Amino acid sequence: QSVLTQPPSASGTPGQRVTISCSGSSSNIGSNAVNWYQHLPGTAPKLLIYSNNQRPSGVPDRFSASKSGTSASLAISGLQSEDEADYYCAEWDDSLNGVVFGGGTKLTVL
Amino acid sequence: QLQLQESGPRLVKPSETLSLTCTVSGGSITSSSYYWGWIRQPPGKGLEWIGSMYYSGSTYYNPSLKSRVTISVDTSKNQFSLRLSSVTAADTAVYYCARQYYYDPSGLEYWGQGTLVTVSS
Repeated sequence: QSVLTQPPSASGTPGQRVTISCSGSSSNIGSNAVNWYQHLPGTAPKLLIYSNNQRPSGVPDRFSASKSGTSASLAISGLQSEDEADYYCAEWDDSLNGVVFGGGTKLTVL
Repeated sequence: QLQLQESGPRLVKPSETLSLTCTVSGGSITSSSYYWGWIRQPPGKGLEWIGSMYYSGSTYYNPSLKSRVTISVDTSKNQFSLRLSSVTAADTAVYYCARQYYYDPSGLEYWGQGTLVTVSS
């Protein structure tokens, strides 16, 4: 069972806006920055969002994220078929003194 | 452009030690701005952080694996390595190496392509 809780699945149709949640605690999301990853099968995970809401160069602005208290969320607007992937939140946990990942959310574009 | 490449045996016998090396090119492993880490993904499961190290040799490990994990660095070769002892079938996974922000180690900016290691007799 992951320290960070994500829904196992999410779905949407092309053009829709989808959100993926990540719930944690005061020792992780509540006190540190959230990062989000996109993972396509057979490839390396890709850093999608860092420092709660910052996009690395090359990541479309359709991807955005926010954090409030001990929860965070990733939003994907203008959903495209190539967005179909697994999405993970990740955090530094002060209690575990290590990196923790959410269980991952499989996004299906219908 | 920074590149990371994992190498090592793809098949390991139960109870033996898994050993992988990550070779870094296009950047120095001795940069003070980054940690270097290992992450794995068992088949059909999510990502799991194994541990990380700083070029000086300081390390920190996932508490659930700490008793079996050693991460070390060879700055002369711009490489860092993972050793996981007493492996079982549960250690079968795709293993990734990655560069992490020093100020936020959960920010893994660059990843290797990953290598599938199977534990089987």
